[in-house]
Amino acid sequence: SQTIHQWPATLVQPVGSPLSLECTVEGTSNPNLYWYRQAAGRGLQLLFYSVGIGQISSEVPQNLSASRPQDRQFILSSKKLLLSDSGFYLCAWSRSERKSLAKNIQYFGAGTRLSVL
Amino acid sequence: QKEVEQDPGPLSVPEGAIVSLNCTYSNSAFQYFMWYRQYSRKGPELLMYTYSSGNKEDGRFTAQVDKSSKYISLFIRDSQPSDSATYLCAMSVLNKFYFGSGTKLNVKP
Repeated sequence: SQTIHQWPATLVQPVGSPLSLECTVEGTSNPNLYWYRQAAGRGLQLLFYSVGIGQISSEVPQNLSASRPQDRQFILSSKKLLLSDSGFYLCAWSRSERKSLAKNIQYFGAGTRLSVL
Repeated sequence: QKEVEQDPGPLSVPEGAIVSLNCTYSNSAFQYFMWYRQYSRKGPELLMYTYSSGNKEDGRFTAQVDKSSKYISLFIRDSQPSDSATYLCAMSVLNKFYFGSGTKLNVKP
C-alpha cells in the first residue's frame, strides 16, 4: 500500500530564517506531488505541483520554492521566511495519468504547522 | 464564481442523528468526487470517492453525486462524537483538484 510521510509536524522559525519541509511517498512510482497551504476557514491553496523529477509548476508567486530531487521526494523551501508564511502546509500525491488505472484521487500527508515569529 | 461551493457551518447535531453535507460545483467536466475528513491540526483523510454520478456506500457513510444538478452529498448515519471534524469535498479532472472550504461538524454526545 502507499504511504506519504511529511515532516516535521510542527516548526517554529524566526523571520528571515530559511525553511525546508520534506515529503516522501512510498509504495508507488512516478506520483504527481503537490504542496498546499491551508489557512483557517479559507480552504486549500495550491502552491506547487510536480509531474516528475525536476518538473515544478508554481501556482502562486510568493516567497517559497519547491524541488523534486528524487521520484518520490518533494521539498518546500524558503531562503528567508516572512511572518505571512505562517500556516499549515500539506503535501499530497496522486497517481500519474500515464498509469492505465490512474484515478484522479489525492492523498494527503499529516501536515506541518509552521509558525514564523 | 468559485469552482466548488461548500457551506462552512458549523453544523451541530446530537449523537445518532443523520448528517447531510453538501457541495455544489460549476464545472461539468469534473470526473472524480471525493470527501475528506480532517481532524483539528491533522491532514485530510480520504473518506470516499465516486466516479461520475450515483451513490456509493461504506458503512455509515454514503456519497451521492448528481451531475445533472452539479451537486454532491455525504450522508453520515448514526453520527458519533468521533465524527466531529471538518469535512472537505473535492473534485478533479485531468489531475487538477478543486476543494470546498470545508464544513465543520460537531456531534454532541
